[in-house]
Amino acid sequence: EDQVTQSPEALRLQEGESSSLNCSYTVSGLRGLFWYRQDPGKGPEFLFTLYSAGEEKEKERLKATLTKKESFLHITAPKPEDSATYLCAVRGASYGKLTFGQGTILTVHP
Amino acid sequence: ETGVTQSPTHLIKTRGQQVTLRCSSQSGHNTVSWYQQALGQGPQFIFQYYREEENGRGNFPPRFSGLQFPNYSSELNVNALELDDSALYLCASSLRDGGDEQFFGPGTRLTVL
Repeated sequence: EDQVTQSPEALRLQEGESSSLNCSYTVSGLRGLFWYRQDPGKGPEFLFTLYSAGEEKEKERLKATLTKKESFLHITAPKPEDSATYLCAVRGASYGKLTFGQGTILTVHP
Repeated sequence: ETGVTQSPTHLIKTRGQQVTLRCSSQSGHNTVSWYQQALGQGPQFIFQYYREEENGRGNFPPRFSGLQFPNYSSELNVNALELDDSALYLCASSLRDGGDEQFFGPGTRLTVL
């Protein structure tokens, strides 16, 4: 059974203080690792897809990386508007099914 | 380009009742997936529909059922509601033969009393 664990559960940063979120996974035949951002009371917003170890994707202050066992979401010089829950998900052999972690709640203080 | 829409936004039901939630997929997408998100948890996969047929199911009982229509919109039906069914129900659309990204709607908040 596919499993995803995210850490930390919550992270509080000062504006400009860079950090990383971790996503550890076990999956039978990885067919994609996905990062989403979710604001309170809203649906997840797609950020990145990674397919193979060593792959990296960037978008503004966010950079996602992938190894064979985990993925990191690096946040460089965050701003208060980056505050949200960040979700990691994997797709394995079962087409279409995404298995999500519980998310990391990021709060960036001005 | 129209994104994923869901209705209603909020819903309150009592235990034992039945509910139908609706989803319109993003323009050009032919696949719809449904997820249940309890408070403080990540979304859990309920099932997926492609070409009007169920194409994969998570660990949810048969009282959770769905439909997909020729225009790719979809419904989620839940019978015999239980208190634990209270959650945010999310619909995601994707293009089966065009990539793996699933794009989510805003969700329907269901409260069961």
